[in-house]
Amino acid sequence: DIQMTQSPSSLSASVGDRVTITCRASQSISTYLNWYQQKPGKAPKLLIYGASSLQSGVPSRFSGSGSGTDFTLTISSLQPEDFATYYCQQSYSTPSWTFGQGTKVEIK
Amino acid sequence: QVQLVQSGAEVKKPGASVKVSCKASGYTFTSYGVTWVRQAPGQGLEWMGWISAYNGNTNYAQNLQGRVTMTTDTSTSTAYMELRSLRSDDTAVYYCARDLIFWGQGTLVTVSS
Repeated sequence: DIQMTQSPSSLSASVGDRVTITCRASQSISTYLNWYQQKPGKAPKLLIYGASSLQSGVPSRFSGSGSGTDFTLTISSLQPEDFATYYCQQSYSTPSWTFGQGTKVEIK
Repeated sequence: QVQLVQSGAEVKKPGASVKVSCKASGYTFTSYGVTWVRQAPGQGLEWMGWISAYNGNTNYAQNLQGRVTMTTDTSTSTAYMELRSLRSDDTAVYYCARDLIFWGQGTLVTVSS
């Protein structure tokens, strides 16, 4: 199975900060990497697919990069509504997918 | 618009079974697979498996093999996930999803004696 490891597991940031979350795969997954945002009590929301493509309706302050085993999600200017938990997910071994353990973004 | 509506919360005793439904609307049901994901309280997302609504092919997470069965009813555009021999660590919110873009609202399954 492909393992996905995110870092950090949590971070504190202020509104307006640039935030970066990383995700590492246990083997090369090309660009078969998606990012999700989840708020308490809600289903996850797809933000980025194919490592760097922005899902329709997602603000442009979100961006993704990377290929192979190392990936990054960046929020260019953190907004109050961005405080949530973020997950990466590999879709290389479709339809057997795995998620990272999550990164909680909290208010500093 | 695409909608996935799941059945309501369940409370089960250890050793029992639970069957969660996921009724789809707004698209051609047999053109997409349905993925099931669960989330234990305060924990991350766990992929459980996938079923093709076209031909019923399934792919289950290894750690659930033998305890989980996913089925579909194309006449009602409904997917089902049955989990047997429930344990306390099966307590979680269970989600169905299409393409991992469209998600159900989640079903809380509590396993407690």
